[in-house]
Amino acid sequence: EVQLVESGGGWVKPGGSLRLSCAASGFNLSNAWMSWVRQAPGKGLEWVGRIKSKTDGGTRDYAAPVKGRFTISRDDSKNTLYLQMNSLKTEDTAMYYCATGVLRYFVWSSWGQGTLVTVSS
Amino acid sequence: DIQMTQSPSSLSASVGDRVTITCQASQDISNYLNWYQQKPGKAPKLLIYDAFNLETGVPSRFSGSGSGTDFTFTISSLQPEDIATYYCQQFDNLPLTFGGGTKVEIK
Repeated sequence: EVQLVESGGGWVKPGGSLRLSCAASGFNLSNAWMSWVRQAPGKGLEWVGRIKSKTDGGTRDYAAPVKGRFTISRDDSKNTLYLQMNSLKTEDTAMYYCATGVLRYFVWSSWGQGTLVTVSS
Repeated sequence: DIQMTQSPSSLSASVGDRVTITCQASQDISNYLNWYQQKPGKAPKLLIYDAFNLETGVPSRFSGSGSGTDFTFTISSLQPEDIATYYCQQFDNLPLTFGGGTKVEIK
């Protein structure tokens, strides 16, 4: 069974950094396209970025609001996905989810429970 | 970026009613569209993929149709457990974008 568990959220001041983790089980992370999706309090869903599988080159793409500040990476030995968030802004406050369809690219059939990031002074 | 216009933003219907939500893309996205259900405090759940395919394990009262720019999501007979917010999502082009969501309530 595919399972995703996020961690690493918390409170941080504007300009600060945080690294989120998404521990995967039930499949090999290196074979999957993985995405991060966020949801500001009371708002809709927003795609953050994606990393392709190793066999598809591991390319990373990001949404414009986070490009240059956020970095997606993975540690295949730990089967864990990461989201490094730098230069955080108040508007980055949100629940952050990792999601995957494993081999189904952008059809996200599996989601983590989310981890809350609060950026505030 | 492809804009996804979802309507209505909220609706109230009775148990057993047929519920329809529409999603319009700002450009042709073929059938690269998914529908998700999100209950309060929970992660989204995939219901429909590629515009009309029912995800495994999802009740058959949920369905999707459409292609190009106009899409429809239908609950054929609303059940109390269907109270949630529903989102469409296009994956034809980056950045991936979602509709604004439709909150479904019981009348």
